[in-house]
This record gives sequence, C-alpha cells and structure tokens, in this order.
Amino acid sequence: GAVVSQHPSWVICKSGTSVKIECRSLDFQATTMFWYRQFPKQSLMLMATSNEGSKATYEQGVEKDKFLINHASLTLSTLTVTSAHPEDSSFYICSARRDIISPLHFGNGTRLTVT
Amino acid sequence: GQQLNQSPQSMFIQEGEDVSMNCTSSSIFNTWLWYKQDPGEGPVLLIALYKAGELTSNGRLTAQFGITRKDSFLNISASIPSDVGIYFCAGPPGAGGTSYGKLTFGQGTILTVHP
Repeated sequence: GAVVSQHPSWVICKSGTSVKIECRSLDFQATTMFWYRQFPKQSLMLMATSNEGSKATYEQGVEKDKFLINHASLTLSTLTVTSAHPEDSSFYICSARRDIISPLHFGNGTRLTVT
Repeated sequence: GQQLNQSPQSMFIQEGEDVSMNCTSSSIFNTWLWYKQDPGEGPVLLIALYKAGELTSNGRLTAQFGITRKDSFLNISASIPSDVGIYFCAGPPGAGGTSYGKLTFGQGTILTVHP
C-alpha cells in the first residue's frame, strides 16, 4: 500500500493566490522529504529537500521565496506556492524514504493549474 | 550535473511481446532504480539495484545493473495492457551515490501495449 500520501490531488487557483500542498509519511517518520516537479511530457526534477526542524535546501534555479517549504513534524512536509502564476502550473510530487538506505517512495502527486 | 540517457523514448508493442529499455550515464552510479508512472499519479518503484552486475526480478520484470556501473536495463516479459505507462530509470547523483533522496531521472520511456 501507499507509504507517502499527498493532498490535494489536484487544485485550480487564480493567478496571484497561494496554494498549499501537504505530504505525509504514513507509517514511518521522515526527517527528510523531497519535492519534485514534473511538467507535461517531461521527467521529474528535484525542487528542494525538506528537512525536519531546519530550513529546506533548494536546487539551483528554484526560488525559495516562491516555493515555501515547512517540515513541521516527522510525518508532514508542506509546499506552498506563493503568488502563483500560470507558468507554475505543473505536477508536484513529494517523496520520502523509510530510512537512509531505502529507496524513495513517491506520493500520488498534485496537479496544480493556475488560471 | 549527471544525466541519465534513457531509450527508447517510446514503444508501441502488441500484448504478449517482450520489452526492453535501457539507461546509460557518462558517470558512475552506485544505485539504479526503475519506476513506473501511470497518468496523473506519482512514480511507483519497480526494482532497486545496488551492486554492479546485479540481476533482479520482480514478477515479469527483470533489471540489471551494468558491470561498468554506467548503465542499466529493464526487461518486461509477456507484456499485458496494464503495463502501459511511463518507465523511468533513476539514480542518486554524485560519486558517493548514497543520497538516495536526491534522484536524477532519465527522460522516461512511454510504453503502449495494444491488446
């Protein structure tokens, strides 16, 4: 069964508004979670690493002030897309691993459409 | 950064046929992962490979970690309609290759199976 849960599965918002996406590890604690983005017909690209109790680390080219990440507990990380614009429309997928040697498991993704 | 070159980009096959896809890199990977992504969902882990030369099966799926550590292949035998989807190879970048959270993904292979 699923080990990583993501919510919502899809969201439509107006340009200029903010959207929050939640990622939960279901039966394990994750000190680190990862946020990926996937544009249509493209591969997954890592956006940022969410660290419980400390600041997230962002990949090159990803605006930290636009994509706010909060890892408030060992089972929950949130990604907030602030002042969303149509070019932010994408498929956002979070992931986590049970322990340091286990491979990544992904959530079901959130389809964001900004109108 | 490290890139994974995955081929073919797409395949159209008849039900019952075998499928083979591969992934290559210009640099060494210490882990190879194969994921399948259905439309609108997150990737699901199929097979994880940790040792050069390792050959691992998961039902009708077989994957091998190339002896040079720069390539991997995935075979699907006796394909069925539910095999349709996008298959991605992935691996943790960097010579150490133990940071399994930060994955580099191949471009994906789109598989279509005709009944």
